[in-house]
Amino acid sequence: DIQMTQSPSSLSASVGDRVTITCRASQGISNYLAWYQQKPGKVPTLLIYAASTLQSGVPSRFSGSGSGTDFTLTISSLQPEDVATYYCQKYNGAFTWTFGQGTKVEIK
Amino acid sequence: QVQLVESGGGVVQPGKSLRLSCAASGFNFNNYGIHWVRQAPGKGLEWVAVIWPDGSNKDYADSVKGRFTISRDNSKNTLTLQMNSLTAEDTAVYHCVRDSMLVGHHFDHWGQGTLVIVSS
Repeated sequence: DIQMTQSPSSLSASVGDRVTITCRASQGISNYLAWYQQKPGKVPTLLIYAASTLQSGVPSRFSGSGSGTDFTLTISSLQPEDVATYYCQKYNGAFTWTFGQGTKVEIK
Repeated sequence: QVQLVESGGGVVQPGKSLRLSCAASGFNFNNYGIHWVRQAPGKGLEWVAVIWPDGSNKDYADSVKGRFTISRDNSKNTLTLQMNSLTAEDTAVYHCVRDSMLVGHHFDHWGQGTLVIVSS
């Protein structure tokens, strides 16, 4: 199975900071990567799919990039409402999926 | 709007069975694959199972293979997860999740989830 390593596991940043979260696959996965946001006590919501396509309604301060094995979620200017845990997810093919371990983002 | 409403969670003893259901509305259920994704208390997300639109293809995470069975009734817009031989490690909130059916098969709508607690 392809393994996904997400880093960091947590981070604390100030409002307005640029925040970067990475997700690394153990082998190339094309761009079949999505990012989800889970606010405290809430259900996960889709932020980005196909590595870089912003889901409708998601603020433009969120962006995704990467292909192959290395992917990045960037928040260009962190806002208080962005406090959440962020998960990457890949489609392995053959009807199986894997989530990264999650990155908890807090405000400093 | 798209709605996925899970039910059937509760407290169950180790080794016993439980059946979860998901009622879908607001979209053409027949056209979408549907997943179960779970989240243990304080832990991350774990993909559990998928069933394709016509029910022809199903697959499971290794952690539940042979114990859980996913099924669907397209005439009633419902999804079911039959869980047998439950262990404490199955304690989690179980979400019914819609597959986008786009390249990459990301998950575009999530239900609120139903809590399963396996405890004696």
